[in-house]
Amino acid sequence: SQKIEQNSEALNIQEGKTATLTCNYTNYSPAYLQWYRQDPGRGPVFLLLIRENEKEKRKERLKVTFDTTLKQSLFHITASQPADSATYLCAPVEKGSSNTGKLIFGQGTTLQVKP
Amino acid sequence: GAVVSQHPSWVICKSGTSVKIECRSLDFQATTMFWYRQFPKQSLMLMATSNEGSKATYEQGVEKDKFLINHASLTLSTLTVTSAHPEDSSFYICSARYQGADTQYFGPGTRLTVL
Repeated sequence: SQKIEQNSEALNIQEGKTATLTCNYTNYSPAYLQWYRQDPGRGPVFLLLIRENEKEKRKERLKVTFDTTLKQSLFHITASQPADSATYLCAPVEKGSSNTGKLIFGQGTTLQVKP
Repeated sequence: GAVVSQHPSWVICKSGTSVKIECRSLDFQATTMFWYRQFPKQSLMLMATSNEGSKATYEQGVEKDKFLINHASLTLSTLTVTSAHPEDSSFYICSARYQGADTQYFGPGTRLTVL
């Protein structure tokens, strides 16, 4: 069966450092993979999308890599700030599901950036 | 742009009553809307996918007679929790996607508490 694994333990880092979050998937052939941010009691907010033929994508302090051989995506936040503290969710989208837009999320990794 | 609203933001009801939650896309036409449920400290679980003018497609294990979904227009979808029980207490989040988009835009969520 399909499985998405993210670090279930919270990631605690010091302000200014780079946070790296991992998303591993099994039994998926993703057309693309998305990363979302969710704050407590709020809906998720889209951050980045990376396609199967892309190795890396950047947006301001955010960087996502995608290794379809390792079946893994890494999400980096450089120069982290306390305001980056949130839960980050990954969602690989299966090739057959890309037209429906259906998203299945990993359990998320909670990031805590300490001042 | 791409704003999605939900109403109400929270609701408390007695066991056995029905509750309706509205999801609106404010500045775009949502050809597809999705409903998710999130229990404390867990990730979002997709309940159903709804295309405008069509019957919703429910995920395995979601009772379609209990969770009635209507997507009568390109800007409005409703979720009705019928005969709600305490175990239905959860955070319900909708999202919307416009034609051809890969990403989803999420509402702020509705906290349902069934006494």
